[in-house]
Amino acid sequence: KAGVTQTPRYLIKTRGQQVTLSCSPISGHRSVSWYQQTPGQGLQFLFEYFSETQRNKGNFPGRFSGRQFSNSRSEMNVSTLELGDSALYLCASSLVQGPGNTIYFGEGSWLTVV
Amino acid sequence: SQQGEEDPQALSIQEGENATMNCSYKTSINNLQWYRQNSGRGLVHLILIRSNEREKHSGRLRVTLDTSKKSSSLLITASRAADTASYFCATQGNEKLTFGTGTRLTIIP
Repeated sequence: KAGVTQTPRYLIKTRGQQVTLSCSPISGHRSVSWYQQTPGQGLQFLFEYFSETQRNKGNFPGRFSGRQFSNSRSEMNVSTLELGDSALYLCASSLVQGPGNTIYFGEGSWLTVV
Repeated sequence: SQQGEEDPQALSIQEGENATMNCSYKTSINNLQWYRQNSGRGLVHLILIRSNEREKHSGRLRVTLDTSKKSSSLLITASRAADTASYFCATQGNEKLTFGTGTRLTIIP
């Protein structure tokens, strides 16, 4: 079956703009989480959604937000973009929430802020 | 913030040799997972070891976990050029994954 699908794969935005990234989890998976990867900070947890509710949130400013739809698809939004937001944004899904579930990652969305 | 550190940060070995990477973490965990990332790509799940397990195998991969020392190791035997990638350990408590800093593995043909 299809893996985790993220769109767009690459995008360039200007400082001050906003961006929306989309994630379609593996069919049947209900938990979706988002991570930011940068050379300096590594892989950082953004947030996790399960059954359309945010269950967990990382240490990021309020400019970073997300949501999950009834079909488990998820979007994340970053407003008022800063140069430091340039990163690979990874979406991951698992069957259910909670420890011990294998988490599958998408290919990521490369965001460049200029 | 990172849960732990991986050692070494970079490793180059000849094809056919074994590669060992180590991961240390700071807090108690439910499980520890290893992932591979090819340059600029997503993460591929390799293996999950639970806190009550000490060793696990999957193909050419062998993972050990020592909860008393808060450390884990990943051994890749008979390495291949296709194993060239970055390898990350990730710990999981009750919910989110917390990743280590990663080891960049290069297999020399």
